[in-house]
Amino acid sequence: GIQVEQSPPDLILQEGANSTLRCNFSDSVNNLQWFHQNPWGQLINLFYIPSGTKQNGRLSATTVATERYSLLYISSSQTTDSGVYFCAVDEASGSARQLTFGSGTQLTVLP
Amino acid sequence: EAQVTQNPRYLITVTGKKLTVTCSQNMNHEYMSWYRQDPGLGLRQIYYSMNVEVTDKGDVPEGYKVSRKEKRNFPLILESPSPNQTSLYFCASSLLAGKHEQFFGPGTRLTVL
Repeated sequence: GIQVEQSPPDLILQEGANSTLRCNFSDSVNNLQWFHQNPWGQLINLFYIPSGTKQNGRLSATTVATERYSLLYISSSQTTDSGVYFCAVDEASGSARQLTFGSGTQLTVLP
Repeated sequence: EAQVTQNPRYLITVTGKKLTVTCSQNMNHEYMSWYRQDPGLGLRQIYYSMNVEVTDKGDVPEGYKVSRKEKRNFPLILESPSPNQTSLYFCASSLLAGKHEQFFGPGTRLTVL
């Protein structure tokens, strides 16, 4: 099956700093999503981005499908951005049954 | 509001006592799925459903049952829960399987003593 690798595994920032999270995947995908898991465990949809670039406030994401990676940018980070960020993909060559998740980036934003 | 709902959100139970975690979506989605999340193991799919009366096993189906009698509902049934089923469970749905965004419920924290 498809492999999804996220980096860095852990990231500690001071409030106001910018950051870039990376997601590499090993095969072509139909679907790529970024999620934020908050401290209460909820998975919040950030972006549905199988290709191209999208922006939503302080967050933006870019997926280069031909090179099999996606980037999540967080600008002017806030303490409420803390949590785990997951990249998840749906393999194009598979039976399109499930999202395969990366292991996540644990982000801590200090006040 | 378009959403996926799960109930209960938290549950502590004992080994062997049958339980059902409900999942409902109001977006007329055909595809629904259950995942469990465990430390060090990430999110793994339990079962999925491509449409009403169509269900299939995911990666970790042992000890679970599902049914899809209506498009909006996809309950997860634990006939005889065991401590290794202690986990955080998520229900998800999308318009169709594959090239569509998946939406996740708020999660159900289950503890089996």
